[in-house]
Formats: sequence, C-alpha cells, structure tokens
Amino acid sequence: GAVVSQHPSRVICKSGTSVKIECRSLDFQATTMFWYRQFPKKSLMLMATSNEGSKATYEQGVEKDKFLINHASLTLSTLTVTSAHPEDSSFYICSARDRGSKGEQYFGPGTRLTVT
Amino acid sequence: SQQGEEDPQALSIQEGENATMNCSYKTSINNLQWYRQNSGRGLVHLILIRSNEREKHSGRLRVTLDTSKKSSSLLITASRAADTASYFCATLVATGGFKTIFGAGTRLFVKA
Repeated sequence: GAVVSQHPSRVICKSGTSVKIECRSLDFQATTMFWYRQFPKKSLMLMATSNEGSKATYEQGVEKDKFLINHASLTLSTLTVTSAHPEDSSFYICSARDRGSKGEQYFGPGTRLTVT
Repeated sequence: SQQGEEDPQALSIQEGENATMNCSYKTSINNLQWYRQNSGRGLVHLILIRSNEREKHSGRLRVTLDTSKKSSSLLITASRAADTASYFCATLVATGGFKTIFGAGTRLFVKA
C-alpha cells in the first residue's frame, strides 16, 4: 500500500530555534498534502493544505508566518516551525493525497516536537 | 477546524463486550472514515463508508452512516484488550478544496 514517511519522528529543540519536518510520499505522487497538529488526548486539527508549486492554504487561526509550508515537489512537503516556543510542542502529522484516479489520502506516522 | 463531536468521549468496557462509538458532523460529506490511534502513534485506517452507503462491515467492525442525521456509528464486536486505543471519525469535505476533517475522538479502554 501507499506509504507516507515523516522525518524526524521525534525532535527536541530550544525555544527560539526553528525546526523543519519533512513529509514524503514514497510510492505515489501527491499534488496535495495536509498538515495536522494534535495535542495530547485531543483530536487532529487541520493546519494547512499545501499544493505542489503553489502557496499553502492555512486554516483559520493558524499563523502562516510561524508555520512555513513548502511543497516543492510531488513527493515532498516540509513544515518549518519558526521561533519555536514551548506551546508549539505537539504531535504533527502529515497526509498526502494520491494524484491517481481514486485520490485516496494517506497519513504519515507523525513527528513529536518538544520545545524546551 | 473540526467537524463535530464524538460520543462518548471515553468508554471503558470488559473484554468480550461490544463497543459502540458515535460521530456527528456538520457539513455535507463525500465519505466518512474511521481511524484508530494507539497512544502517541500514527493513525490506522479502519474503514471508509461513502455518502450513498448506509452500512459497512469489516471483520469485527460495523459502521453505519445516516446522512439525514449527519451521524455515523462504529461498532466493535467481541472487543479485545488490543482494541484499546482512540478512535476518530473523519469526513471528506469539499470546502475550499477537498480535505479531511476529524471528529473529537473516543478513547476506548478494554479491560482484560
């Protein structure tokens, strides 16, 4: 089946630094990728939708200057958390939609970000 | 944004019992999916039901969909301790492009 990978799986960074998370579709091409955020014991909240070659569309309340998204190719999207603060600590999950006929959506394993 | 609520928020049952989780959503949907998530782990896709379907089965799972009430239910029969996890419904909505929106989730605990 289709696989979506995320790297790193875990990252710890200091306040004020920036962290980049990669999301790759391994065996399919994805014109659209999605980034979700999940706090402990909570559900997944959609942050933004990224389309290959164009600017990401952010959900209401998500700061686009803080969460920079780049979707430079059909198999890679990156999320950069800029000037991270402890409240940005969360589980970040990406998802990729297969550009094939069925357009199914597959989820990555998530990245645990801890900001100290 | 989230589509809606799941009911109950938490459920504790004995092994062998059935577990029923409900999900409500707000907007029109193309399909509804159920996912499982073990603590701190990624999502596992369980089942997809399309908007023109009313019921679907997969092993010990039974999903119903009532589009008139904008609700769905997930039934796990003969539960096992390994079924302990959080369960989320997710709907594919077509506002501002197609995107998947998750419900609040139900935390299921199956006691051995």
